This record gives sequence, structure tokens and C-alpha cells, in this order.
Amino acid sequence: ILNVEQSPQSLHVQEGDSTNFTCSFPSSNFYALHWYRWETAKSPEALFVMTLNGDEKKKGRISATLNTKEGYSYLYIKGSQPEDSATYLCAFDYGGSQGNLIFGKGTKLSVKP
Amino acid sequence: ETGVTQTPRHLVMGMTNKKSLKCEQHLGHNAMYWYKQSAKKPLELMFVYNFKEQTENNSVPSRFSPECPNSSHLFLHLHTLQPEDSALYLCASSQEGAGAIDTQYFGPGTRLTVL
Repeated sequence: ILNVEQSPQSLHVQEGDSTNFTCSFPSSNFYALHWYRWETAKSPEALFVMTLNGDEKKKGRISATLNTKEGYSYLYIKGSQPEDSATYLCAFDYGGSQGNLIFGKGTKLSVKP
Repeated sequence: ETGVTQTPRHLVMGMTNKKSLKCEQHLGHNAMYWYKQSAKKPLELMFVYNFKEQTENNSVPSRFSPECPNSSHLFLHLHTLQPEDSALYLCASSQEGAGAIDTQYFGPGTRLTVL
């Protein structure tokens, strides 16, 4: 059974703090890793698709790194803002039959002004 | 706005009712997906349609019946559901069709409550 773990489950930070969280996934049969940002009552929004070991991607204040050999990815948010409050999901793509993504439960981030 | 819409956003139904969830994508994508998110669980894939053909049924009970009349529309027909089927149902689409490394674009979901 393929399992994707995200930690922590939830995180409360002050505005201006930098933060990071982890996604752990199987180190075999790696195809890609996806990060999504999901605000309450809205659609999950794609942040990054990562495919290469050592990959680092950046979008504004948010960046992500990938280690496929040890099976983890970090998501970093620099200088958190209240609008960053959301659940951040990662999804492991093992190149399976038809678009199968294995999702983690997410990390819920709350940023207090 | 992701270009994927779902209706209704909220649905309450009894166990003997029949209802349908609708998803529409305005992105010209070739693959569409149904996911389920139960409380405290990750998103779980239910069905995949690739160029209007069902290519995956992830061991979903027959009380859930998908339909994809064209590449822009996806339905999930519900009948004789159980209270444990209460969950958030999300639709997604992707450009290349399943099997490619591709971003899936999600709708906002339908919150279903079965009484």
C-alpha cells in the first residue's frame, strides 16, 4: 500500500514568520510529486509539480525542494502572511495506470496577523 | 477560479433518494476525475475518465455511478447511499489524459450529507 505522510498536521504561526513542512513518500517507483494549496471553501490550487531529484521550485514566497532517493519534499513559506492560511497538500505520482495520485492528509497552516 | 465548476455545492439527501452531482470543465482537458474526501482522511480517487472512456474504477461501490457524456462534463449519480458516504466530493481535470505527468485542476467540491 502506497502511503504519503505530511507533517505537521497543523501549524499556527505569526505574520512574518517563516515556516516549513514535510511530505514523505515511497522512494521507489517515483514519477512526480505535486504540491497543492487549498483554502477553505475553494478549489485546491496547484503550486508545483516536481520530477527530478534535487529539484527546487519557487513561486513568490513559497518554495519547495525534492529528495527522491530518501522520499521527502519540503515546502517553505518565507515571511508568512494571513492570506497564506490554507491546507497544503502533497500528492505522490507513481506513474500508475491512470492518473493515480496518492494524497497526503495535508498540513493546515494558520497565520495570525 | 480553476476553470472547473461543480454543482450543487451542498447536498443533503436521504438514504432512499437518487441525486446527481455535476462537474464541468472549461479548459479543453481530456481527462476527468472524481475524488472523495471523508473526514480526517486524504483525498481518494474514485473514477477516471480518459477521452470520455472510463479507465479506472477504484473499487467504488455500485451505488456510485459515473457518467461522462462528453469531455467537458462529468456526472456522479448517487442512489441508496449510506450515512458513511457523507463526504466532500471533488472533481478534477487534466490536459493530457491520465498516465502523463500533468497537473490536475480541481473544482470546489460538493459537500454531501446522507441522513
